[in-house]
Amino acid sequence: EAGVAQSPRYKIIEKRQSVAFWCNPISGHATLYWYQQILGQGPKLLIQFQNNGVVDDSQLPKDRFSAERLKGVDSTLKIQPAKLEDSAVYLCASSFSKGFGDTQYFGPGTRLTVL
Amino acid sequence: QKEVEQNSGPLSVPEGAIASLNCTYSDRGSQSFFWYRQYSGKSPELIMSIYSNGDKEDGRFTAQLNKASQYVSLLIRDSQPSDSATYLCAVIRGSNYKLTFGKGTLLTVNP
Repeated sequence: EAGVAQSPRYKIIEKRQSVAFWCNPISGHATLYWYQQILGQGPKLLIQFQNNGVVDDSQLPKDRFSAERLKGVDSTLKIQPAKLEDSAVYLCASSFSKGFGDTQYFGPGTRLTVL
Repeated sequence: QKEVEQNSGPLSVPEGAIASLNCTYSDRGSQSFFWYRQYSGKSPELIMSIYSNGDKEDGRFTAQLNKASQYVSLLIRDSQPSDSATYLCAVIRGSNYKLTFGKGTLLTVNP
């Protein structure tokens, strides 16, 4: 079974530029998550999708971050404009559903450096 | 009070020893509890999940949950150098089953 795919793996941009990340979840997984992991911290949930609807985006900085999940499969996360504090690893995860017992499987992440 | 707190570490143990990792959580309504392992530069991988009070064993790993004390722990027996990683405690809470992570504890197992 193929895992969660993410691209690009690394990205370096200047502040105020825009950037987009792509995620393809495990086939059949209805729930998709984007996390931000700053160095030395645990992952922080940015947004959670159930199929193509948003379940939780309470910690998404909506003035600069946006996300969508096309047709309930792939997802993109965009930052525009980027700030220095956005330097982090952006992790995509998926699970079969959003139940309390469902395991979340993580992709390899995208390491973003904002200069 | 942080939602999920872990002992800050780093924790260093000799090979073959028992490593003990601790975690407390603030929301009494939390439903599920997980331990993830994260090697440097890699993504988190699930190693243990526990849902009810008591102990759960899987090979060299034992998770312990005490809901009354809002405490979760992970014991690693016969620690190996390959166990050297950051261990993340995570808790599911709320109607959206939101997964909240602690900061992680860095474990080093010395040969």
